[in-house]
Amino acid sequence: EAGVTQSPTHLIKTRGQQATLRCSPISGHTSVYWYQQALGLGLQFLLWYDEGEERNRGNFPPRFSGRQFPNYSSELNVNALELEDSALYLCASSAGTSAFFGQGTRLTVV
Amino acid sequence: SQQGEEDPQALSIQEGENATMNCSYKTSINNLQWYRQNSGRGLVHLILIRSNEREKHSGRLRVTLDTSKKSSSLLITASRAADTASYFCATDAGVYGGSQGNLIFGKGTKLSVKP
Repeated sequence: EAGVTQSPTHLIKTRGQQATLRCSPISGHTSVYWYQQALGLGLQFLLWYDEGEERNRGNFPPRFSGRQFPNYSSELNVNALELEDSALYLCASSAGTSAFFGQGTRLTVV
Repeated sequence: SQQGEEDPQALSIQEGENATMNCSYKTSINNLQWYRQNSGRGLVHLILIRSNEREKHSGRLRVTLDTSKKSSSLLITASRAADTASYFCATDAGVYGGSQGNLIFGKGTKLSVKP
């Protein structure tokens, strides 16, 4: 069974541009979570989607947004990129208590 | 904001020794989980302990939970070089209409096991 897949693996963008990150959950999982992990730091919760709805949002500005599609895959969009947005973005899916993580997208803003 | 706080931030031991990592959290929880992260990649779920449990074992892992002190510990026995990784505790943010809710992670303990 395929795990959580994220694309792209690496992404390099210029300050001010927009980035789109994608996540496909494990089959049967309806919840998708997004986390940001800046270098050397812990995971900061970004967004939680379940059944197509945004259920919770972390302490991030509105330029971080996303959506969940009918097939439960999800997109994270970051507008007006800033240098501090450079980080590993992790997606996880869940059907209950434990979360299963993808390998992440490393976003570099130059 | 962080819910869990692990300590120590970094731990270096020799192969064969035991490694103990601690986690403290702030609010009441339904469960506490430990995850492992290799080299800044995805996290792997290790073990979950529910709020009504005090101790749980899985292979070389032993987790304890003290809800009165809002703390947990992860013990890795007979460590191996392959255990070198960052370890995070995570607590649930609450129950939303029956769903688990998002996990809130600590900053992690970086474990280095020297051969």
